Amino acid sequence: AQSVSQHNHHVILSEAASLELGCNYSYGGTVNLFWYVQYPGQHLQLLLKYFSGDPLVKGIKGFEAEFIKSKFSFNLRKPSVQWSDTAEYFCAATGFGNEKLTFGTGTRLTIIP
Amino acid sequence: DAGITQSPRHKVTETGTPVTLRCHQTENHRYMYWYRQDPGHGLRLIHYSYGVKDTDKGEVSDGYSVSRSKTEDFLLTLESATSSQTSVYFCAIRTSASGANVLTFGAGSRLTVL
Repeated sequence: AQSVSQHNHHVILSEAASLELGCNYSYGGTVNLFWYVQYPGQHLQLLLKYFSGDPLVKGIKGFEAEFIKSKFSFNLRKPSVQWSDTAEYFCAATGFGNEKLTFGTGTRLTIIP
Repeated sequence: DAGITQSPRHKVTETGTPVTLRCHQTENHRYMYWYRQDPGHGLRLIHYSYGVKDTDKGEVSDGYSVSRSKTEDFLLTLESATSSQTSVYFCAIRTSASGANVLTFGAGSRLTVL
């Protein structure tokens, strides 16, 4: 079965620290990968996506993610976090042409000023 | 919010009562989805629609039904609400024209079943 795993449930960092959130997926064939962010009290917003090509993708607000096919991973990174990055982050995946998007359980990120 | 409106935004109801949540879009997108969000579970797909009167089940469809009689409206119905259906429900539309599944979400509907 298709699945997405996020092993970090809650991450606490100080401002200016570097961030890496893990995401692993299990899909056969071509995969499309996404990171969504949910700020407190808000709906989900797309941070970045990978369809094909350069495995290092850049998204909004200084976030980036690297697709490593051999590791079935799509980790989210940011070199220096800000207090405003406090949110819940969801990794998601789907097979190319598949109509259903599968989400991970999410990682809650708390940034301490 | 890419023209997605969910209603009601908040609802409190009692066990055994029927509940209908509405998702309305203004951009004529073909695909619409209903997810529920629960702590520790992330977002789980309930049902989705790929056109008027065309729907299919997701991973947690038991206890839910959907209808889509018009392109712009996708209704989620709990025929007899249970406490386990207390959740935040998000509607989403597929907004990418490339064939890939980029979803845009509505603001959510918080349902409490007492």
